Amino acid sequence: QKEVEQNSGPLSVPEGAIASLNCTYSDRGSQSFFWYRQYSGKSPELIMFIYSNGDKEDGRFTAQLNKASQYVSLLIRDSQPSDSATYLCAVNDYKLSFGAGTTVTVRA
Amino acid sequence: EPEVTQTPSHQVTQMGQEVILRCVPISNHLYFYWYRQILGQKVEFLVSFYNNEISEKSEIFDDQFSVERPDGSNFTLKIRSTKLEDSAMYFCATSWDRDNTEAFFGQGTRLTVV
Repeated sequence: QKEVEQNSGPLSVPEGAIASLNCTYSDRGSQSFFWYRQYSGKSPELIMFIYSNGDKEDGRFTAQLNKASQYVSLLIRDSQPSDSATYLCAVNDYKLSFGAGTTVTVRA
Repeated sequence: EPEVTQTPSHQVTQMGQEVILRCVPISNHLYFYWYRQILGQKVEFLVSFYNNEISEKSEIFDDQFSVERPDGSNFTLKIRSTKLEDSAMYFCATSWDRDNTEAFFGQGTRLTVV
């Protein structure tokens, strides 16, 4: 089982601020990385995936990947109260290996 | 938007009983997965299924578990003799490719073993 580590949080940010989430993974050969959002009692929802080193932007979300450092991050710009959730980092090796998640609370 | 449908949403069963959890995948998806999440813990992979056979299974997926696609649409997870520690949310996920680029999760079945 590939290890995926995330800051457990909770992370509290004011509305409109940037939330920064970090994830490290153990297998240097991992190729694709996913960020999911999970509201309490609900299923994971895909936010975005990233394969290549560098940044990938989708709306208010930016994923950053550094394979040399085995590090992937997610930035949430202009955070909204509706962004309050647990954010799951996952590594794909033909199945998803998830981190424990980082709980984000956006204060209005 | 296409979605993965799971039934039931909540199942309460007595220890030792058999349960079957059902999933209707997105129609053009070929890869099917079961994951579980014990309350307060991380999402864990159980099994993957492709072309009517198991592709991979985790250590959790022991002889008490089985999967099948009996009618070409439903994808089921059977737990033969439930234990208290099987209490968890069980998520079905489906994808059209092995890279999981479009992996979608169902809403989950909350299994409570008493």
